[in-house]
Amino acid sequence: ETGVTQTPRHLVMGMTNKKSLKCEQHLGHNAMYWYKQSAKKPLELMFVYNFKEQTENNSVPSRFSPECPNSSHLFLHLHTLQPEDSALYLCASSQDLGLVGTGRNEQYFGPGTRLTVT
Amino acid sequence: GDSVTQMEGPVTLSEEAFLTINCTYTATGYPSLFWYVQYPGEGLQLLLKATKADDKGSNKGFEATYRKETTSFHLEKGSVQVSDSAVYFCALTSISSGSARQLTFGSGTQLTVLP
Repeated sequence: ETGVTQTPRHLVMGMTNKKSLKCEQHLGHNAMYWYKQSAKKPLELMFVYNFKEQTENNSVPSRFSPECPNSSHLFLHLHTLQPEDSALYLCASSQDLGLVGTGRNEQYFGPGTRLTVT
Repeated sequence: GDSVTQMEGPVTLSEEAFLTINCTYTATGYPSLFWYVQYPGEGLQLLLKATKADDKGSNKGFEATYRKETTSFHLEKGSVQVSDSAVYFCALTSISSGSARQLTFGSGTQLTVLP
């Protein structure tokens, strides 16, 4: 496997279910991100981790719970979601947040998980 | 705060036509600028980047020049192909007020190229 992988690629869940999205990067990066992409809306940054520590939470509802056990893996735990949470959830990684502004912190994205909440 | 403004889509062109997708930005300091592309059913891929004024990023026939005087980073391609049909995102990173900031994305421009 190369680059950034995400599983599952598609997920349908009811509002009372609990599920998890998984992201794995094989690039040796230290920063990982979750984004939400909804139809007709700009990409929304949800969470940022750098060296396994959460550095940013953009006012995301508590029904979304991230976990970063190591620099290569990132999870998004989902529970009691709403239909408006249906979206494409993208994971990304970059070398190191300390490189922001240097032009060397470009992010590499996974293919996303298409989530439908019924 | 930082922001990126892209031309509204969708854009529909015939094969071999010239493409321009406008992008302007506001940012503190000296941002790095990026274009990402998202093909149907896939995540975003970095298309090209520029890290300082007057830099030209290029890849796969696409080009964009970092224009600090006009705060712009317009994407161009001389002859588009059907396979270029995708959504294109302009983005920037900057360091503002001493704090590292993440990528700020534009809203995306859908490009459809007809044979």
